[in-house]
Amino acid sequence: DVVMTQTPVSLSLAIGQPASISCKSSQSLVHSDGKTYLSWILQRPGQSPKRLIYLVSKLDSGVPDRFSGSGSETEFTLKISRVEAEDLGVYYCWQATHFPHTFGSGTKLEIK
Amino acid sequence: QVQLKESGPGLVQPSQTLSLTCTVSGFSLTSNSVHWVRQPPGKGLEWVGAIWSGGSTDYNSALKSRLSISRDTSKSQVFLKMNSLQTEDTAIYFCTRSGLRGWGQGVMVTVSS
Repeated sequence: DVVMTQTPVSLSLAIGQPASISCKSSQSLVHSDGKTYLSWILQRPGQSPKRLIYLVSKLDSGVPDRFSGSGSETEFTLKISRVEAEDLGVYYCWQATHFPHTFGSGTKLEIK
Repeated sequence: QVQLKESGPGLVQPSQTLSLTCTVSGFSLTSNSVHWVRQPPGKGLEWVGAIWSGGSTDYNSALKSRLSISRDTSKSQVFLKMNSLQTEDTAIYFCTRSGLRGWGQGVMVTVSS
């Protein structure tokens, strides 16, 4: 199975500060169709998860443009340009290139 | 409006079979996949398996021998069946649409005698 390694485990940031979360996969996530099926998911406290980004860098509808995704092959990054209070929660990366699909272990973002 | 709703028993005895239903609206099962994802209390997300728009399935390798996902397109429902339940299967079970772009509220399943 593809192992997704996320760092850091947790982040504590003040509002307005930038955030960066890394996700590394144990195998290349480039599919045979040429696409890279790497998504970022946010789970706010007490809520169901919500997808923010798919195909490495495409923002879902309604996701603020302070979020961005980048990377290729085995290394990926989620960035928040300026953290806001509503951004708190746990962020997961998820790969859907290989079976079984797998999640990273999560990064908890706390607001100072 | 896309909606997914999980239903099923909250408590299951060890060694018994879990049966969950995901009822969807706002999209067609014949043109979208549905995935099951679970989350043990206080832990991260685990992909359980999926049923694709054509009806084929894929499963988490660790659960494959105990798991079955099926659907009834006429009722817009997807079913999860997992046998030989253990306490480690205690979790919130979510169903989610293609690419995890829409999620249900989840259903808490506790495996206990």
